[in-house]
Amino acid sequence: QQQVKQSPQSLIVQKGGISIINCAYENTAFDYFPWYQQFPGKGPALLIAIRPDVSEKKEGRFTISFNKSAKQFSLHIMDSQPGDSATYFCAASMDQGGSYIPTFGRGTSLIVHP
Amino acid sequence: NAGVTQTPKFQVLKTGQSMTLQCAQDMNHNSMYWYRQDPGMGLRLIYYSASEGTTDKGEVPNGYNVSRLNKREFSLRLESAAPSQTSVYFCASRADRITNSPLHFGNGTRLTVT
Repeated sequence: QQQVKQSPQSLIVQKGGISIINCAYENTAFDYFPWYQQFPGKGPALLIAIRPDVSEKKEGRFTISFNKSAKQFSLHIMDSQPGDSATYFCAASMDQGGSYIPTFGRGTSLIVHP
Repeated sequence: NAGVTQTPKFQVLKTGQSMTLQCAQDMNHNSMYWYRQDPGMGLRLIYYSASEGTTDKGEVPNGYNVSRLNKREFSLRLESAAPSQTSVYFCASRADRITNSPLHFGNGTRLTVT
């Protein structure tokens, strides 16, 4: 049972374009939604995160949009650059017996062509 | 500041062999985690240690054992490797288990079981 569904699995965008990655969740107890970025040969690193009490969070060219009623959230990368080419994971976490453990989506491989 | 260090980076095993993956963090974090990453499957939690002296099963614990040696070190052992355990293994740490502090990942161990 996949608790966090991520799409698309892969995405190709031209330099300067907008990259959009979508995630959906079922469990309304999730209360923290981070995005991780992973470059080839490296471990994932936190990119940006949002809590359900806000509908949008922006950090530079990266924006998370959150729709609580639809149980969906998305990552928008504006003015996409070749250096953004990476795998992106959405995640959701909630208190599980005193521990916040993120559940990850399956990842999106983003390629930005120059 | 090295962060999370994993050894070895690469390993090839024959079916039935055993090995231990090592992980150490120098950030004085309380919680440590082992994930496996497989194509199209995202990051799946194998075991975690919420604090020194405790370990708990994650989503895919079968075939693995862990040891939280001290606050810095968390090892993952494969007692009898199987081809299904061919994967990239990531160790991660976070400051504590009860907040949504970010996970800090190592750069992974790529394991092939033939």
